[in-house]
Amino acid sequence: GESVGLHLPTLSVQEGDNSIINCAYSNSASDYFIWYKQESGKGPQFIIDIRSNMDKRQGQRVTVLLNKTVKHLSLQIAATQPGDSAVYFCAEKETGGFKTIFGAGTRLFVKA
Amino acid sequence: KAGVTQTPRYLIKTRGQQVTLSCSPISGHRSVSWYQQTPGQGLQFLFEYFSETQRNKGNFPGRFSGRQFSNSRSEMNVSTLELGDSALYLCASSLEQIAYEQYFGPGTRLTVT
Repeated sequence: GESVGLHLPTLSVQEGDNSIINCAYSNSASDYFIWYKQESGKGPQFIIDIRSNMDKRQGQRVTVLLNKTVKHLSLQIAATQPGDSAVYFCAEKETGGFKTIFGAGTRLFVKA
Repeated sequence: KAGVTQTPRYLIKTRGQQVTLSCSPISGHRSVSWYQQTPGQGLQFLFEYFSETQRNKGNFPGRFSGRQFSNSRSEMNVSTLELGDSALYLCASSLEQIAYEQYFGPGTRLTVT
């Protein structure tokens, strides 16, 4: 069935290094992908999105890459900071846009 | 502008009881979605409303229901609570008719004993 999954459940990086969080999806019909950040005790927070007609999109310190050939999505965080420590979810939007399917989440630890 | 608010933040109920959770979207947002978050199943889509109409529903039993009012506020109800319903229930609102960019509330932590 349709699924959005993450390769690694946890990721530990040194402060100042770049972080890369990966995600696999299986629904070729999905046309919109989103990355969310969830800190303890809070709801998910929108980070960045990308549509299927794009390969790359950049935000402030974050870049999302989409490889439709292998159905792979990644989130790159530049110069990772302690405040980036959180759980990161990738998500996909089904065609029609009414339902969002979330991946399992990756916990990012930033070591000072 | 105020964010998405959810009430109550914490709730403890007994098996067999029912519960109603409330969500107030960001002002001007007309799409509201509900999600259940558990450690084992992650974030799972419950349902989505736009202009008081349910447009999509996730794979949850009929004990889970919801509604949206004319002011876009939404409620979800869970009847005949089971231990497995213990979870964080999240509400998200979106401005557009196609609910792309969603803004989440802090959630309601429901514990069923």
